[in-house]
Amino acid sequence: EVQLVESGGGLIQPGGSLRVSCAASGFAVSRTDMTWVRQAPGKGLEWVAVIYTGGSTNYADSVKGRFIISRDNSKNTLYLQMNSLRAEDSAVYFCVRDYDYWGQGTLVTVSS
Amino acid sequence: QLVLTQSPSASASLGASVKFTCTLSSGHGTYAITWHQQQPEKGPRYLMKISSDGSHTRGDGIPDRFSGSRSGAECYLTISSLQSEDEADYYCQTWGTGIWVFGGGTRLTVL
Repeated sequence: EVQLVESGGGLIQPGGSLRVSCAASGFAVSRTDMTWVRQAPGKGLEWVAVIYTGGSTNYADSVKGRFIISRDNSKNTLYLQMNSLRAEDSAVYFCVRDYDYWGQGTLVTVSS
Repeated sequence: QLVLTQSPSASASLGASVKFTCTLSSGHGTYAITWHQQQPEKGPRYLMKISSDGSHTRGDGIPDRFSGSRSGAECYLTISSLQSEDEADYYCQTWGTGIWVFGGGTRLTVL
């Protein structure tokens, strides 16, 4: 059974850094594209970043240069390192396997 | 620019059918799309993929009262025999060059 469990969210001050994780089971993160999607309170879904099976990555313009997507194949876990956080980065962050399985999300709140 | 357009809201009665539309922007009318459901206070769930030829592939455990189709740049999600748990937000999604694009979502109210 495919499962994705996000963790690591919390309250962080503007300008700070946070790393959220997505522990996968039932498949290997190295063998599929993995994506982060976020949803600000009361808003729609926004694509954030993708890491392809070959290891290349791509980012939304809104996070380029500040966020880094990575994976640890030995831990079967996906990560999103978020730096220079802004209030507008406040959202629930979901990891997605390819396009067909979603996690339950982890809430990141950027506020002083 | 790749854009997906959805109506913000829809409503239908219990037991009835409802059809959502997701329109691809000009020049992108043959792109494949996916549909996702987000029930209140939950993460999204993948429903199906609609390919450029109009065929659709449902996700694991998605009942066949959820169906998909397309007519050119317009892609559809139809839910028949509406149940109360179908009350949710429905998003379409597609792929650009190295990016994902989501529609704004349609909120379904089941009367």
